[in-house]
Amino acid sequence: SAVISQKPSRDICQRGTSLTIQCQVDSQVTMMFWYRQQPGQSLTLIATANQGSEATYESGFVIDKFPISRPNLTFSTLTVSNMSPEDSSIYLCSVDPGHQETQYFGPGTRLLVL
Amino acid sequence: EDKVVQSPLSLVVHEGDTVTLNCSYEVTNFRSLLWYKQEKKAPTFLFMLTSSGIEKKSGRLSSILDKKELFSILNITATQTGDSAVYLCAVPNTGNQFYFGTGTSLTVIP
Repeated sequence: SAVISQKPSRDICQRGTSLTIQCQVDSQVTMMFWYRQQPGQSLTLIATANQGSEATYESGFVIDKFPISRPNLTFSTLTVSNMSPEDSSIYLCSVDPGHQETQYFGPGTRLLVL
Repeated sequence: EDKVVQSPLSLVVHEGDTVTLNCSYEVTNFRSLLWYKQEKKAPTFLFMLTSSGIEKKSGRLSSILDKKELFSILNITATQTGDSAVYLCAVPNTGNQFYFGTGTSLTVIP
């Protein structure tokens, strides 16, 4: 398995501002993913963060709203831009270690937008 | 369209009861199905199932897959209050992007 940390663990933000969430893994991984979990909902994949290339976004998510960086094989950031109350969610990063076909999740970032 | 459906959506039981959670799926090029337990924020991995009819077991939890009928069940015997959580099943596509079910919220009452 992989040990994953996320920062911040929670934040309260004003509408119109942006927040960058960091995800750090204790080993090099090829695939990292960003998910959103809105209150009472299941996990929805936002994008796949690819090292050395642009992220691949799922339907309904765009780079201008959720820019992602993946500068190396152990780190990624997700920015939630121009936030509105509808962006209040838990944001989770996950990694695929590449040999078990499973994903391990970070502790999540709980975001509240006022 | 690929999808994963879980039932029931929520369940309330008493300690000591046995529960069965269901997950059905329709996913192109199926390879595996995974179960996760989510207590606060981060889902924690429970099982990965790839073959029909082979039970995976960990303590009081067990799971089995039926690739013909396209479903999996997660059983929890002798439930404890610490089993209270949301249980998620997920099926990866060919790009290892996961489709998650809506989850089953389990509450175990002392």
